[in-house]
Amino acid sequence: EAGVTQFPSHSVIEKGQTVTLRCDPISGHDNLYWYRRVMGKEIKFLLHFVKESKQDESGMPNNRFLAERTGGTYSTLKVQPAELEDSGVYFCASRGADEKLFFGSGTQLSVL
Amino acid sequence: GNSVTQMEGPVTLSEEAFLTINCTYTATGYPSLFWYVQYPGEGLQLLLKATKADDKGSNKGFEATYRKETTSFHLEKGSVQVSDSAVYFCALSAHSGNTPLVFGKGTRLSVIA
Repeated sequence: EAGVTQFPSHSVIEKGQTVTLRCDPISGHDNLYWYRRVMGKEIKFLLHFVKESKQDESGMPNNRFLAERTGGTYSTLKVQPAELEDSGVYFCASRGADEKLFFGSGTQLSVL
Repeated sequence: GNSVTQMEGPVTLSEEAFLTINCTYTATGYPSLFWYVQYPGEGLQLLLKATKADDKGSNKGFEATYRKETTSFHLEKGSVQVSDSAVYFCALSAHSGNTPLVFGKGTRLSVIA
């Protein structure tokens, strides 16, 4: 069974540019989460999808971040325009009917 | 609000040494507690968990006991191996089901032969 896949694994962009991160959850998992770890700090929750609906987006830092999950399958997280403080590792996780959470290996975003 | 404080790293140990990584939490109610591990180049994996006071989670030789009186969930292993080198994250979930995890900052462990 394929795990949670994130793409790209690394992204280096300049301040003001746009970046789109993608997450493919485990097939059949209705719950999809985005988290972010800024260097040296905690992993922080960003938002939670149940199928295509946003269940909880209380962790989204500001309106430069837009998450979508078309058709309840894969999800994208777009940052536009990117700022220096957006640098960090963005993790995606998915969960099925039980409570076990499966994480992807993350996207390392560097904004220069 | 809910928070997790864990021991700052990095921690460097020799093979077969005893490991303790401290973790304390602040939460309302009775959270579930977790340790996640991230090996190089991989995603976070659940290492162990405990859902109520005095529960002990264990896996791969690692153990942690849910201590409500001290609000702690310290991770221990009696004899570490080089393959245990990774980043360890303590986390809590305030309620079961959909509640997002609250993580600590992570502790990097390096085990040398």
